[in-house]
Amino acid sequence: AQRVTQPEKLLSVFKGAPVELKCNYSYSGSPELFWYVQYSRQRLQLLLRHISRESIKGFTADLNKGETSFHLKKPFAQEEDSAMYYCALMRGSGNTGKLIFGQGTTLQVKP
Amino acid sequence: DTAVSQTPKYLVTQMGNDKSIKCEQNLGHDTMYWYKQDSKKFLKIMFSYNNKELIINETVPNRFSPKSPDKAHLNLHINSLELGDSAVYFCASSQGPSPETQYFGPGTRLLVL
Repeated sequence: AQRVTQPEKLLSVFKGAPVELKCNYSYSGSPELFWYVQYSRQRLQLLLRHISRESIKGFTADLNKGETSFHLKKPFAQEEDSAMYYCALMRGSGNTGKLIFGQGTTLQVKP
Repeated sequence: DTAVSQTPKYLVTQMGNDKSIKCEQNLGHDTMYWYKQDSKKFLKIMFSYNNKELIINETVPNRFSPKSPDKAHLNLHINSLELGDSAVYFCASSQGPSPETQYFGPGTRLLVL
């Protein structure tokens, strides 16, 4: 079954510390993976997708097919990074494609 | 100008009541979705519509009935509300078969007493 697991409900770090938000998936086929972010009192929004191989707001995520992981990393956390982060997997394609979300991880960056 | 809007923002109601949540998007997208975020923050798709046609219907009780009068609107009607329906309901939209680029609404927080 296709599944996304984010093992940490809460991750608390100090400003300037490195951050790694874990995401593991199970999927038979070539996965398409994404990270979404929800800042306090704001809507859920796409942060980055693995096919773009981009860095957004200093965050990067590398797809590791061997470990079936797509961890989100940032070398130096900022207070404004505090938010809820969801890892998501695209299941299916076309009109019937849908996003399967992980349980979410709350990142708390302390001053 | 808000891209995806939902009304109401908050909804407090008694068990057994029937209620509706409305969603509108002005992005010109042709696909719209409803998601449920429960108290543990699990976010799960409920329905999707493409050009007013139901495409995805997850295992959702039939007390939940989505309605899309046109491709800019997707409403969610819930009959005989139960305590377990308490959650945040998010609407989203996307252009064509690109669910990964969904634009989410602000959410409607439903509390059933």
